[in-house]
Amino acid sequence: EAGVAQSPRYKIIEKRQSVAFWCNPISGHATLYWYQQILGQGPKLLIQFQNNGVVDDSQLPKDRFSAERLKGVDSTLKIQPAKLEDSAVYLCASSPHGQTSSYEQYFGPGTRLTVT
Amino acid sequence: AQSVTQLGSHVSVSEGALVLLRCNYSSSVPPYLFWYVQYPNQGLQLLLKYTTGATLVKGINGFEAEFKKSETSFHLTKPSAHMSDAAEYLCSVIDRDTGKLIFGQGTTLQVKP
Repeated sequence: EAGVAQSPRYKIIEKRQSVAFWCNPISGHATLYWYQQILGQGPKLLIQFQNNGVVDDSQLPKDRFSAERLKGVDSTLKIQPAKLEDSAVYLCASSPHGQTSSYEQYFGPGTRLTVT
Repeated sequence: AQSVTQLGSHVSVSEGALVLLRCNYSSSVPPYLFWYVQYPNQGLQLLLKYTTGATLVKGINGFEAEFKKSETSFHLTKPSAHMSDAAEYLCSVIDRDTGKLIFGQGTTLQVKP
């Protein structure tokens, strides 16, 4: 089966610019996650969707970050305006959690964002 | 709140030597535990997981980990390191109520020829 797809793989922008990332989860996976991984740290959950509803966005900086999952499939994560500290790898993951008892998450390759 | 601590941000071993990456967790209920590997410029790949049952878990690429409840540990081992094992290794625990995955800070494994 196809894995989690993300695009773009790399993005360089200047501070105060906007950027958007796209994620296509594994077919049939109800749950989708966006993580931020800053260099030298483990991934930190930004937002979790169950189908097209938000389950947890407590760690999402809502003044500049937004995310949506229309129709419960693809998702986009947007940063507007970007700050230097947003430089990180943004990982998307999906899970059948909600449909089965498995809690395994499947990760995409990530988008490496550099803010200059 | 659940948390994960990985001892040692960098571990260096010689090719053929034992690999031991340490992970301790805090959890008020029996945890689900995972080890992920992250190769440069790639996403996370699941190495192995513990949910229930046998406490010694075998994963891909010759890795295994043992769940020790009394020590709240889930250390990752491999008898003989290979150059291709050089990567970032992430230990994680899951909140069974929310499905939220909590990661440690990661350990970079370097394998010397």
